[in-house]
Amino acid sequence: NAGVTQTPKFRILKIGQSMTLQCTQDMNHNYMYWYRQDPGMGLKLIYYSVGAGITDKGEVPNGYNVSRSTTEDFPLRLELAAPSQTSVYFCASSSPGRTNYGYTFGSGTRLTVV
Amino acid sequence: GESVGLHLPTLSVQEGDNSIINCAYSNSASDYFIWYKQESGKGPQFIIDIRSNMDKRQGQRVTVLLNKTVKHLSLQIAATQPGDSAVYFCAFTGGTSYGKLTFGQGTILTVHP
Repeated sequence: NAGVTQTPKFRILKIGQSMTLQCTQDMNHNYMYWYRQDPGMGLKLIYYSVGAGITDKGEVPNGYNVSRSTTEDFPLRLELAAPSQTSVYFCASSSPGRTNYGYTFGSGTRLTVV
Repeated sequence: GESVGLHLPTLSVQEGDNSIINCAYSNSASDYFIWYKQESGKGPQFIIDIRSNMDKRQGQRVTVLLNKTVKHLSLQIAATQPGDSAVYFCAFTGGTSYGKLTFGQGTILTVHP
């Protein structure tokens, strides 16, 4: 049982490049989330999904896209990377009501845009 | 989740002291609360939770206190150790946003040997 797995762990992008941050979970959680965390700051919700085929914006969705074709996977797409997207990105999953409402977080992807 | 665009508050303690980390929430419909610990370079990890029908819950060296009257949550760490140095986040859910957590700002705890 690996929990939430994020790849890559580190990435450097040039301005204007695109990339996909991968997130997969093996706990059969129906809810999944993407957060960004800037240095010394809290967590900001980018997008979330309450099940396969359903996604919704969080508080900072601009510059990002997501898809949820399966329960397990929730990739985050960055188009036209900008320096303001330099951050650490965390994926999380939960299954509200099954046991508790806590999230399981991945170990993060550290992205630098230069 | 919601967070504010401010740098995180800090708390410095000596090894062996007790630490108290505070969190305020505004939604009176919130009825489930969690504390997370985030060590440097890692994702947040669940520490302890509490439901609104309780005002205190204890774990190993940690106690969470809930005061619903003033919408305040605290995490007490007994005999703080250097390994407790981390960022601590509170989170809560309830009402119409049930299932989706709202995260508090976070507090940086530094334990000096």
